[in-house]
Amino acid sequence: ELKVEQNPLFLSMQEGKNYTIYCNYSTTSDRLYWYRQDPGKSLESLFVLLSNGAVKQEGRLMASLDTKARLSTLHITAAVHDLSATYFCAVDIGAGGTSYGKLTFGQGTILTVHP
Amino acid sequence: GAGVSQTPSNKVTEKGKYVELRCDPISGHTALYWYRQSLGQGPEFLIYFQGTGAADDSGLPNDRFFAVRPEGSVSTLKIQRTERGDSAVYLCASSLTAGYSSTDTQYFGPGTRLTVL
Repeated sequence: ELKVEQNPLFLSMQEGKNYTIYCNYSTTSDRLYWYRQDPGKSLESLFVLLSNGAVKQEGRLMASLDTKARLSTLHITAAVHDLSATYFCAVDIGAGGTSYGKLTFGQGTILTVHP
Repeated sequence: GAGVSQTPSNKVTEKGKYVELRCDPISGHTALYWYRQSLGQGPEFLIYFQGTGAADDSGLPNDRFFAVRPEGSVSTLKIQRTERGDSAVYLCASSLTAGYSSTDTQYFGPGTRLTVL
């Protein structure tokens, strides 16, 4: 059974600081997604990582994927208050290699950025 | 364009009752997914459709849960004999395609918050 673990689960940061959220998963996959969720809202897609070594950047967020280590990171640069949200990684391993679409999510990392 | 929509946004029911939750995917998206999110947890996969057929229903917790997508667009998640443990936010997502070669992002709707008293 695929397990997806994020750490930390809670992250309190000061504005302007850098930090990294880690996403480890237990079964080989080359499809990993990062989502953001604001309180009471649905999930917003941030990044899609589809190969070993993939790196994507958008604003102050950068995501990377190491399929050999089964690890993805979400790096936050010079945090601002607007980044406060819950961040989820999700892995898609397919169903016996014949179909994809079943995402397994991590527990989420609650990020709070303080002035 | 319009995103994924779900109705109702909130549903309160009594234990033992039947409920239906509706999802309207993004126009043109062939794949549709249902997830369930409990408080403080990540979404948990329930079922996904490719067109009208259920491609993977391995996440449905038991036979009280059933979903349909008769015309390949709108989907309904049906829960019979609801239990208090069914209380959660039910999320629907859609993607342009799905399947072995697909790398499409899933776009999520706002969810239906189900409360079983």
